[in-house]
Amino acid sequence: GENVEQHPSTLSVQEGDSAVIKCTYSDSASNYFPWYKQELGKRPQLIIDIRSNVGEKKDQRIAVTLNKTAKHFSLHITETQPEDSAVYFCAAKGGTYKYIFGTGTRLKVLA
Amino acid sequence: DAEITQSPRHKITETGRQVTLACHQTWNHNNMFWYRQDLGHGLRLIHYSYGVQDTNKGEVSDGYSVSRSNTEDLPLTLESAASSQTSVYFCASSEQGLAATGELFFGEGSRLTVL
Repeated sequence: GENVEQHPSTLSVQEGDSAVIKCTYSDSASNYFPWYKQELGKRPQLIIDIRSNVGEKKDQRIAVTLNKTAKHFSLHITETQPEDSAVYFCAAKGGTYKYIFGTGTRLKVLA
Repeated sequence: DAEITQSPRHKITETGRQVTLACHQTWNHNNMFWYRQDLGHGLRLIHYSYGVQDTNKGEVSDGYSVSRSNTEDLPLTLESAASSQTSVYFCASSEQGLAATGELFFGEGSRLTVL
């Protein structure tokens, strides 16, 4: 069935360093790849997304890259700050409106 | 402002009891979803609906049911609660159509404990 694998499950970085989270999807019909940030006790919120006809998208300190051939997509956060500490989820959506999520990455930014 | 709300936010119940979690959205979205969130498993899809009278099973649907009698509401029912259903439940909604952004809007979550 459809599956999204996400790595690593936890990631600790020093403030100011970069963080990279990687996801792999199985459904070749997937065409939309959002990333959600979830702070402790809060709801997931969309931070950036990319569609299958684009290879890279950037929004200030965050960027997402997509390799359709390898079915990989990644989240890059540069110049990390303490407020970036949260759980990040990747997801993939195929031809239907159903979203399959990865298992999440807990990012800790150490001051 | 449009919103998606869940109730109750916290509930403690006993094994075997029936529980219903409510989800109400004012976005006028046709798509609605229920996810459960457990440590190590991320967000797993329970049930989803693409419109009134439409319901579909997700990857972890056993023991759960939903009904969609109008656009705004998708209540989730646990027919006979089990301890394995202790979790945080999130309702979400999204647009349909070519102009849809694809963004999934989440409710604040409902924490359910089954003793």
